[in-house]
Amino acid sequence: AQSVTQLGSHVSVSEGALVLLRCNYSSSVPPYLFWYVQYPNQGLQLLLKYTTGATLVKGINGFEAEFKKSETSFHLTKPSAHMSDAAEYFCAVSDLKAAGNKLTFGGGTRVLVKP
Amino acid sequence: EAGVTQSPTHLIKTRGQQATLRCSPISGHTSVYWYQQALGLGLQFLLWYDEGEERNRGNFPPRFSGRQFPNYSSELNVNALELEDSALYLCASTPRRSSYNEQFFGPGTRLTVL
Repeated sequence: AQSVTQLGSHVSVSEGALVLLRCNYSSSVPPYLFWYVQYPNQGLQLLLKYTTGATLVKGINGFEAEFKKSETSFHLTKPSAHMSDAAEYFCAVSDLKAAGNKLTFGGGTRVLVKP
Repeated sequence: EAGVTQSPTHLIKTRGQQATLRCSPISGHTSVYWYQQALGLGLQFLLWYDEGEERNRGNFPPRFSGRQFPNYSSELNVNALELEDSALYLCASTPRRSSYNEQFFGPGTRLTVL
């Protein structure tokens, strides 16, 4: 079974500082990995995804993530936090269609941006 | 292009009642997924419908059920509501023959059970 662990349920950063959100996964097959963002009282919006190929993936709003197979990690970063980045972030791994096709999510990390 | 839509936005029910939640996928998408986001429990997979058939369900009791219509829209039904069913219910869709299972989410329906 696949699983996702996000270290830190809450992260506080200053505006302009680096944002680093950690995600580790377990999967018996090459994974498809995703980061989603959820703003208050809204659904999930895809930030970026890793499928195959280049391990450094760039997404929307200046976010990027690096797939490291040896570390089973897919950490999300943004060089300079903006107040609008305050939200909850979810890392997810995709199951294979034959195994049920669901996304397995981490517990989420809530980001607070201080002025 | 319109995104995934869900209705109603909010739903208030009492214990023992039934709730019906609706989802319309993105045009051209044939698979619909339902997830429950309950406080403290994170995002839990509920159901997957593809081409009108239930393909997979998560670890939820049978009183959670649904269906997918010929136009690929979907309903989630929750019978005999319990207080712990209070949650945000999210619907997602993927296109036909999606290779990477990138799911597009709707805004959710917040169900409150009193």
